[in-house]
Amino acid sequence: DQQVKQNSPSLSVQEGRISILNCDYTNSMFDYFLWYKKYPAEGPTFLISISSIKDKNEDGRFTVFLNKSAKHLSLHIVPSQPGDSAVYFCAASADSGNTPLVFGKGTRLSVIA
Amino acid sequence: GAVVSQHPSRVICKSGTSVKIECRSLDFQATTMFWYRQFPKQSLMLMATSNEGSKATYEQGVEKDKFLINHASLTLSTLTVTSAHPEDSSFYICSAFAPSGGWNEQFFGPGTRLTVL
Repeated sequence: DQQVKQNSPSLSVQEGRISILNCDYTNSMFDYFLWYKKYPAEGPTFLISISSIKDKNEDGRFTVFLNKSAKHLSLHIVPSQPGDSAVYFCAASADSGNTPLVFGKGTRLSVIA
Repeated sequence: GAVVSQHPSRVICKSGTSVKIECRSLDFQATTMFWYRQFPKQSLMLMATSNEGSKATYEQGVEKDKFLINHASLTLSTLTVTSAHPEDSSFYICSAFAPSGGWNEQFFGPGTRLTVL
């Protein structure tokens, strides 16, 4: 049973427009959520995170929104740039400390110039 | 941010041999490291939690005698794939937690591509 779901395996967006990547989770114990960006044959790179006490966190072009009641979070990238093309993983944890992350299957974002 | 390195980045070996992958935290101490495995076009799957000075904790379905984990120091964890077979070919990634702004951020190594012939 997948606890973290990214239902869109791929997304194409034009350069300059907004990219919205979605993530759903089932475990109500999750209280910390992260987004990672990954290129082929490389490790994931941390992008942005949000704790369950917040509903929004913003860092430059990246904003993560959390809807706890719907168990849904989304990553907004605006404006999208060709360099943003990568696979984006949503991850969740039941503790901000030393617990492993549960990952979604990822969404491949293609930003078209 | 904190830096985690892995060595080697790529390894090709013959079936039946053993391969050791090192994971190092370069600028911080990590009492806990994690080993993940990623199959093509799939998510990262946690294999085991590596604890410094104690035995690793393996996820269900992961053979502990095949994937030997040793967390010898606060900056080094090793994963040894014993008697490797072609189905062990995969991308192996380690991670470690480092304190960051009040939270413990998990930093990932660059990964190791294992190909078993």
